[in-house]
Amino acid sequence: SSELTQDPAVSVALGQTVRITCQGDSLRSYSASWYQVKPGQAPVLVTYAKNNRPSGIADRFFCSTSGSTASFTITGAQAEDEADYFCNSRDSSGNHWVFGGGTRLTVL
Amino acid sequence: EVQLVESGGGLVQPGGSRRLSCAASGFIFNIYSMNWVRQAPGKGLEWLSSISRDSSTIYYADSVKGRFTISRDNAKDSLYLQMNSLRDEDTAVYYCARDLGAGDFRRLDVWGQGTTVNVSS
Repeated sequence: SSELTQDPAVSVALGQTVRITCQGDSLRSYSASWYQVKPGQAPVLVTYAKNNRPSGIADRFFCSTSGSTASFTITGAQAEDEADYFCNSRDSSGNHWVFGGGTRLTVL
Repeated sequence: EVQLVESGGGLVQPGGSRRLSCAASGFIFNIYSMNWVRQAPGKGLEWLSSISRDSSTIYYADSVKGRFTISRDNAKDSLYLQMNSLRDEDTAVYYCARDLGAGDFRRLDVWGQGTTVNVSS
């Protein structure tokens, strides 16, 4: 399968921990990256591979994969973390990128 | 500063054509594969196409295969997307993105600010 499935929406209380998941058969073979998208802004890579973060990304963001499920975790969510989050990986052929449908995170 | 700047968006009629450009700066453009990704209003991210650093390998999503053509000019540090036979559902913000790394560490690490294409009569 070339699809990645995410829950459409998740909420978290300020300062608490939240996990967003992404399911897809291709995740058994290929790692996932996670992108943050805020209204009117370009996507920003926040985590990739085996829990790596680009320079400048907050260390409260983590990622992991188990079997066909990739997870993105924010420990101590902040108001500025309110955004859409998309997982991304390769399809079963390995030739195409594929994105999950996105999860809208609300920080209460 | 590593930067990608898209241009070429605008209003186009259904069935029409448009050529998008992406100007790269701040890095050695010709050693990276590049991609086009779009986001329709209220929708998620959709990968469209990728091109290898020497243009020898090109891939397209099924949704645009046969209608869109990706290309690059390494002498001009530029990426292009020729879009033909445009449909209402092609209305979106179009992003170019740099492809970095290999294997498990491969990711789209730099994105432009996007250019908006509106297909409407």
